[in-house]
Amino acid sequence: AQTVTQSQPEMSVQEAETVTLSCTYDTSENNYYLFWYKQPPSRQMILVIRQEAYKQQNATENRFSVNFQKAAKSFSLKISDSQLGDTAMYFCALNTPLVFGKGTRLSVIA
Amino acid sequence: DSGVTQTPKHLITATGQRVTLRCSPRSGDLSVYWYQQSLDQGLQFLIQYYNGEERAKGNILERFSAQQFPDLHSELNLSSLELGDSALYFCASSGLGGIGELFFGEGSRLTVL
Repeated sequence: AQTVTQSQPEMSVQEAETVTLSCTYDTSENNYYLFWYKQPPSRQMILVIRQEAYKQQNATENRFSVNFQKAAKSFSLKISDSQLGDTAMYFCALNTPLVFGKGTRLSVIA
Repeated sequence: DSGVTQTPKHLITATGQRVTLRCSPRSGDLSVYWYQQSLDQGLQFLIQYYNGEERAKGNILERFSAQQFPDLHSELNLSSLELGDSALYFCASSGLGGIGELFFGEGSRLTVL
């Protein structure tokens, strides 16, 4: 069975600072995809970034980047220059159909 | 706007009742997924349909059922509702050319009183 674990239920960061959200996963597949989704107070699920397991290069999307460690089955999300609008629940997810972690509630403080 | 449409956005009903949630996927997407998100919880995968056929099943209760119609819209039927069924129900779709990315609707919030 595929599992996704997010060990940080809540985090906070000062505006303009950098924060890293952790995620570990388990799968027996060799080719798979990993995602970070953001859920702001509006409850809409928004894709932040995705990573293909066969790619060694870490994905980057503007202020968002990942540290993908395949051997360790780790997939962390780094948010640089945090903004108030980044305040949300962040979910790590694996494959399709997606298996989600329980989420990390991130608060960006002015 | 993800292109996935869910109706109704909000629904309040009583225990023992039956409701139907509707989802229209993005244009061209063949796969539809249903997820349940209880209060402050992660998303639990319920079921997936691909081009009208059931493709994968998750933690879906026997009281729940779903189907995907020839026009690719999907319905999730919830019956004999219990208080614990109160949740946000998301529909998502993906395309054949996608890499597993799901596009989510805004969700249907069900409250069972």
